[in-house]
Amino acid sequence: GQQLNQSPQSMFIQEGEDVSMNCTSSSIFNTWLWYKQDPGEGPVLLIALYKAGELTSNGRLTAQFGITRKDSFLNISASIPSDVGIYFCAGHQSSNTGKLIFGQGTTLQVKP
Amino acid sequence: SAVISQKPSRDICQRGTSLTIQCQVDSQVTMMFWYRQQPGQSLTLIATANQGSEATYESGFVIDKFPISRPNLTFSTLTVSNMSPEDSSIYLCSVAYSGNTIYFGEGSWLTVV
Repeated sequence: GQQLNQSPQSMFIQEGEDVSMNCTSSSIFNTWLWYKQDPGEGPVLLIALYKAGELTSNGRLTAQFGITRKDSFLNISASIPSDVGIYFCAGHQSSNTGKLIFGQGTTLQVKP
Repeated sequence: SAVISQKPSRDICQRGTSLTIQCQVDSQVTMMFWYRQQPGQSLTLIATANQGSEATYESGFVIDKFPISRPNLTFSTLTVSNMSPEDSSIYLCSVAYSGNTIYFGEGSWLTVV
């Protein structure tokens, strides 16, 4: 099935650094969602984006819905050790179903 | 957001057996879904659980292998039938709020031996 292209696949950074990850697709998406998954847990919703061009923040996290509707990015500023985890982008192609298409995930490791 | 509770949270199952996973939501929701996350992989939609009617399955998933029930607007079950080691995965219940905002339960971690 179709997947979103998420990059980078993994990141190993120093505490305090900023992080950026993105997702791209060859198709248009109506919604972009960003999730974080900690070991042994389900994905937790971080940010939801509903309109092309929308820029939304949640604490140290900022995400944008690309104006072409084919991409989205997530930035994390001033990373801390608890930011460690796997970050997934996901999107809806159709507004009348709940089917989410997921990216492959970005594994983030933060060195104290 | 919703509180989504799944049972069991973990299980080790014998090959050839079946296991039913329960999903309970703390409020009524229109749309409930079941996803699978294979080890080290991303999430894939298995089916949409429809209240009062048969579930809608995605390509590659069939009712005989993954029967789903949804008796009301707060509860659903997913059965993984005749399990094999390839079925070892995290099975996740999810619900839709405000149209397209999807929340997930903590998952049921199945290991088939």
